[in-house]
Amino acid sequence: DAGITQSPRHKVTETGTPVTLRCHQTENHRYMYWYRQDPGHGLRLIHYSYGVKDTDKGEVSDGYSVSRSKTEDFLLTLESATSSQTSVYFCAISDSGTGANVLTFGAGSRLTVL
Amino acid sequence: SQQGEEDPQALSIQEGENATMNCSYKTSINNLQWYRQNSGRGLVHLILIRSNEREKHSGRLRVTLDTSKKSSSLLITASRAADTASYFCATDAGSQGNLIFGKGTKLSVKP
Repeated sequence: DAGITQSPRHKVTETGTPVTLRCHQTENHRYMYWYRQDPGHGLRLIHYSYGVKDTDKGEVSDGYSVSRSKTEDFLLTLESATSSQTSVYFCAISDSGTGANVLTFGAGSRLTVL
Repeated sequence: SQQGEEDPQALSIQEGENATMNCSYKTSINNLQWYRQNSGRGLVHLILIRSNEREKHSGRLRVTLDTSKKSSSLLITASRAADTASYFCATDAGSQGNLIFGKGTKLSVKP
């Protein structure tokens, strides 16, 4: 997981509270992604960024927002957490320098919404 | 929507045996990738095969791609207990940001 860190690694919160997960990279990669991983669903893309202040929605973006004000940081915000957002969240980075989108993943953030 | 679907969902073998996992997908792709995830960790990229390639090797890994059947297989030869992990295929159809993962095959290698 060198070059990419996620924080917090574990969080327990209550329904209705806001939550922000942070992804920080030291690789200067252009692309950053947020995925969630749930049993029976594999990994699903929430949002991604292709540059500072350039973001787009993924497959499961409802209830989530993102921001990228610096190349190295990509924030995922749950404005009002729900129990269905209990999941493990992974950040990933890519430079697509080879013309192929190979991802490097962080260690994950486990979120429990009570 | 899932693009890749791995088969089997779970596989249990003895150390030294070969492990084969399959991935099927639905649409045309630019490349297909395999990732490994150890329990409680992030995914790690293993190998990428482009749509114009049929077979690729990396150490004990062998990947094949059949674009006519929209399928790929990952073979791990001479498995070790350390290979115990979940393995995911991911397809890249070229849409920015859209690397789509399957649900994974959970491999258990018993010493």
